[in-house]
Amino acid sequence: DSGVTQTPKHLITATGQRVTLRCSPRSGDLSVYWYQQSLDQGLQFLIQYYNGEERAKGNILERFSAQQFPDLHSELNLSSLELGDSALYFCASSSTGDGTYEQYFGPGTRLTVT
Amino acid sequence: GQNIDQPTEMTATEGAIVQINCTYQTSGFNGLFWYQQHAGEAPTFLSYNVLDGLEEKGRFSSFLSRSKGYSYLLLKELQMKDSASYLCAVYTTSGTYKYIFGTGTRLKVLA
Repeated sequence: DSGVTQTPKHLITATGQRVTLRCSPRSGDLSVYWYQQSLDQGLQFLIQYYNGEERAKGNILERFSAQQFPDLHSELNLSSLELGDSALYFCASSSTGDGTYEQYFGPGTRLTVT
Repeated sequence: GQNIDQPTEMTATEGAIVQINCTYQTSGFNGLFWYQQHAGEAPTFLSYNVLDGLEEKGRFSSFLSRSKGYSYLLLKELQMKDSASYLCAVYTTSGTYKYIFGTGTRLKVLA
């Protein structure tokens, strides 16, 4: 158990819908990272927040957005969902914001878009 | 462009040593990570290299050559539980900070 929690574990929704994935980092960690893992594209870095501020940005689609709240939990919002958005979404956390420290991954949320 | 290459699959025998290579072409290099991922599970951190050379941690070692854009993960005394995917990832600051992952190497350890 990494100490990072993600809800829900599974999510099934239809194309065009909007969903919110939630992540709580390990106690004391200030950084939260979001990743997408699909069978054909491997693990893709989406975005990092550090203490409420955006710190790093990967290939995150404009239909996707994230934020980190004062209590340090984070939410990833996915809108206008497409079939290709079906994937495993991981959240990870680390103690610092400089990106060079070990990241602890949560168990993931499996999103299925039908 | 930015690119990371790893072999897709490798097979080795229990008790043996295996080396998983990773080559990268990125700008703004700021370090290289190795992660282990068992099927259906989350990745777990193995190592981080930012300087050239070998870092040893128990049965696992990771090597980096920045001039050659090359890294390897060395696994010694292989165990069945080492059967997993091994992901190489580069942390870059080209334009903006981001992580670029290779597609992973699936290692099968045979008895």
